[in-house]
Amino acid sequence: ELKVEQNPLFLSMQEGKNYTIYCNYSTTSDRLYWYRQDPGKSLESLFVLLSNGAVKQEGRLMASLDTKARLSTLHITAAVHDLSATYFCAVDEGSGGGADGLTFGKGTHLIIQP
Amino acid sequence: GAGVSQSPSNKVTEKGKDVELRCDPISGHTALYWYRQRLGQGLEFLIYFQGNSAPDKSGLPSDRFSAERTGESVSTLTIQRTQQEDSAVYLCASSLALVLPPYEQYFGPGTRLTVT
Repeated sequence: ELKVEQNPLFLSMQEGKNYTIYCNYSTTSDRLYWYRQDPGKSLESLFVLLSNGAVKQEGRLMASLDTKARLSTLHITAAVHDLSATYFCAVDEGSGGGADGLTFGKGTHLIIQP
Repeated sequence: GAGVSQSPSNKVTEKGKDVELRCDPISGHTALYWYRQRLGQGLEFLIYFQGNSAPDKSGLPSDRFSAERTGESVSTLTIQRTQQEDSAVYLCASSLALVLPPYEQYFGPGTRLTVT
């Protein structure tokens, strides 16, 4: 059974600081997704990582994937209050076409204080 | 264009009643997924539809849960004889199920189900 573990599960940080969220998973996969969820809202796709060594950046967020270590990271640079949200990583271990659905981590609840 | 829509947005029901949740995927998306999100938790995959293929129902939590999809359009998730542990947000997602990745899933706003 695929397990996806995120840490930390809760993070409170100050604006301007840098931090990294970690996502470990238990099986071989080269398809990993990061989502953002605001309170009471649905999930917004942030990054799609599809190969070992993939790195993607959008604004103050950068995501990377190391399939050999079964690890993805989401790095926040110079955090701003608007980035406060819950961040989920999700892994697709299916044979293709997403037939097995995604397996999600429990999410990292991020609060950025002014 | 329009995203994934779900209805109702909120549903409060009494224990033992049946409920039906609806999902309209993005036009042209052949794949459709249902997930459940309990309070403070990640998403739990329930079922997947691809075109006209019969879905794999093994991810459904119990035989009280069933789901249908008409062609490549609307899907309904039905929960019979609801229990309090069914209280959760039920999220639907759709994707272009192509031969190659990214298989990116686009999520609807969810239906918040409360069983009293």
